[in-house]
Amino acid sequence: AQSVTQLGSHVSVSEGALVLLRCNYSSSVPPYLFWYVQYPNQGLQLLLKYTSAATLVKGINGFEAEFKKSETSFHLTKPSAHMSDAAEYFCAVSDEGNNFNKFCFGSGTKLNVKP
Amino acid sequence: DGGITQSPKYLFRKEGQNVTLSCEQNLNHDAMYWYRQDPGQGLRLIYYSQIVNDFQKGDIAEGYSVSREKKESFPLTVTSAQKNPTAFYLCASSNGQGTKETQYFGPGTRLLVL
Repeated sequence: AQSVTQLGSHVSVSEGALVLLRCNYSSSVPPYLFWYVQYPNQGLQLLLKYTSAATLVKGINGFEAEFKKSETSFHLTKPSAHMSDAAEYFCAVSDEGNNFNKFCFGSGTKLNVKP
Repeated sequence: DGGITQSPKYLFRKEGQNVTLSCEQNLNHDAMYWYRQDPGQGLRLIYYSQIVNDFQKGDIAEGYSVSREKKESFPLTVTSAQKNPTAFYLCASSNGQGTKETQYFGPGTRLLVL
């Protein structure tokens, strides 16, 4: 069975500082991994996804994530935080063991950016 | 512009009442999904549909019902059997059934109980 763990329900960084949001997954088969961002009272927007091509994935708004099979991780990073990055971020996993496109979502990490 | 629309943005339910949340997509996607979001719990799957006239229960289907009579529409009914319906409801769609496919989300409906 799939599962996703996002360490830290709240992360706070200063504007211009490195952003690191952690995601660890569990999957019995090769996973496909996604990061989404959600602004208050809005739907989820895809930031990036890993589907077994390059292990370093670049997404929108300067975010990137690296798939590390040995660590079962897919952490999200951004070199320099901007005030507009304040939002909630969700990691999700889907895998080839499914008979349909079922995602398992983490519980989310709220990012606060301090001026 | 292609996308997913959900209506209404806010919905109020009285005790014992059924309410229906609308979800429409013009992305020509085969698969559609309904999720429930509660604070600190991420998203939980209520129902999904892979093709027209077919749908399956997700992880928390009790107290909910759906229909899929048209490819572009997947309405969700919250019945009186759902005792704790207050939540943010998100509809999503994907192109095909493969596990690599991105799910695209609508703006959500917030359901509140009077």
